[in-house]
Amino acid sequence: GAGVSQSPRYKVAKRGQDVALRCDPISGHVSLFWYQQALGQGPEFLTYFQNEAQLDKSGLPSDRFFAERPEGSVSTLKIQRTQQEDSAVYLCASSLEAGGRSYEQYFGPGTRLTVT
Amino acid sequence: DQQVKQNSPSLSVQEGRISILNCDYTNSMFDYFLWYKKYPAEGPTFLISISSIKDKNEDGRFTVFLNKSAKHLSLHIVPSQPGDSAVYFCAAPRLRGGATNKLIFGTGTLLAVQP
Repeated sequence: GAGVSQSPRYKVAKRGQDVALRCDPISGHVSLFWYQQALGQGPEFLTYFQNEAQLDKSGLPSDRFFAERPEGSVSTLKIQRTQQEDSAVYLCASSLEAGGRSYEQYFGPGTRLTVT
Repeated sequence: DQQVKQNSPSLSVQEGRISILNCDYTNSMFDYFLWYKKYPAEGPTFLISISSIKDKNEDGRFTVFLNKSAKHLSLHIVPSQPGDSAVYFCAAPRLRGGATNKLIFGTGTLLAVQP
């Protein structure tokens, strides 16, 4: 079956530009996560959705970052007024269930954002 | 505060030999651990996991060992194959009222299996 897809795969933005990153999770997956992976580091949690509800946004680094999942499927991560420190790979992951012991997450290929 | 640590950034082994990747953690409240494998330009893929009620879990060539008293786990790959060359991440879920299973990742270990 289809896995998690993300678009675009690569994005170059000029400093100060707004960007929008899209994630299509596996169909039927309740939970959706966004992670940020800097070069040479492991992925770091940004935000979590259970269906359309954003239950945890504790990892968002600033108020320039905004995420939504209005219909409980596709999600968009928006970064306003991009800065060079925003350059990273943004990973989306989904899992079938919410909470409990559903730890296994399925990751998309990521969007590599480069801010110049 | 790095709660999940992978102190070896890289490891090189010969094809057919054993690869041992290590991971340490600081939070004794972690009760489940996962290993993910990542190829360049792809997202991490789930490899194997272990619950804290066990000390070993095996799946084919992959075995994960957990030593709770030492807060240490390791991934063994036997025999190693060139296709195993990838970055391996250790991760633990951080529970928050049961609603968020966000994963806390280590920094990864790049495994290179030489033919």
